[in-house]
Amino acid sequence: GAGVSQSPSNKVTEKGKDVELRCDPISGHTALYWYRQRLGQGLEFLIYFQGNSAPDKSGLPSDRFSAERTGESVSTLTIQRTQQEDSAVYLCASSSFGGGSTDTQYFGPGTRLTVL
Amino acid sequence: QKEVEQNSGPLSVPEGAIASLNCTYSDRGSQSFFWYRQYSGKSPELIMFIYSNGDKEDGRFTAQLNKASQYVSLLIRDSQPSDSATYLCAVANQGGKLIFGQGTELSVKP
Repeated sequence: GAGVSQSPSNKVTEKGKDVELRCDPISGHTALYWYRQRLGQGLEFLIYFQGNSAPDKSGLPSDRFSAERTGESVSTLTIQRTQQEDSAVYLCASSSFGGGSTDTQYFGPGTRLTVL
Repeated sequence: QKEVEQNSGPLSVPEGAIASLNCTYSDRGSQSFFWYRQYSGKSPELIMFIYSNGDKEDGRFTAQLNKASQYVSLLIRDSQPSDSATYLCAVANQGGKLIFGQGTELSVKP
């Protein structure tokens, strides 16, 4: 089956503009994560959706960042009034949840965001 | 204290040697443990997972878990230059949320 897909693959924007990043998880996966990875750095957790539970937003760096997910499908990450420090690769991952091996996360190819 | 800690490296080993990557975690309730590999410019990919104490082998890779010591490791036997990458340790808590360490950069020299 298809893996996690993300769009766009690359996004160049001007400082102050809003951007929207999209993630399509693997069908049937109830858990969805967004991460940010700056050049040469580790994965920075942003937000976690699990089924119909309230999302875990503890990793969002500021109120300029928000994310939505429709049911157990597509998620969008929105960054308002982008700043140069928002430049990074934004990775989405999904898992089927349930403990053990089902917590395995499968990653999408990422969206490389460049804020000029 | 970070929830999942790894030495950032770089760890350099000669080709054919054993590479040992270590990870400690703080949440005693953690259930599942994962090792991911990330090549430069690519997304992380799963190498293996473990959730029982002891060793788990898969080809040249062996994961070791010691829940009492809150320690998980990855051994790579007969290291190859193609193993050069960043290795990420990840730990799932009881709620299923995966927490990643910062990763250890491995360099295998021919």
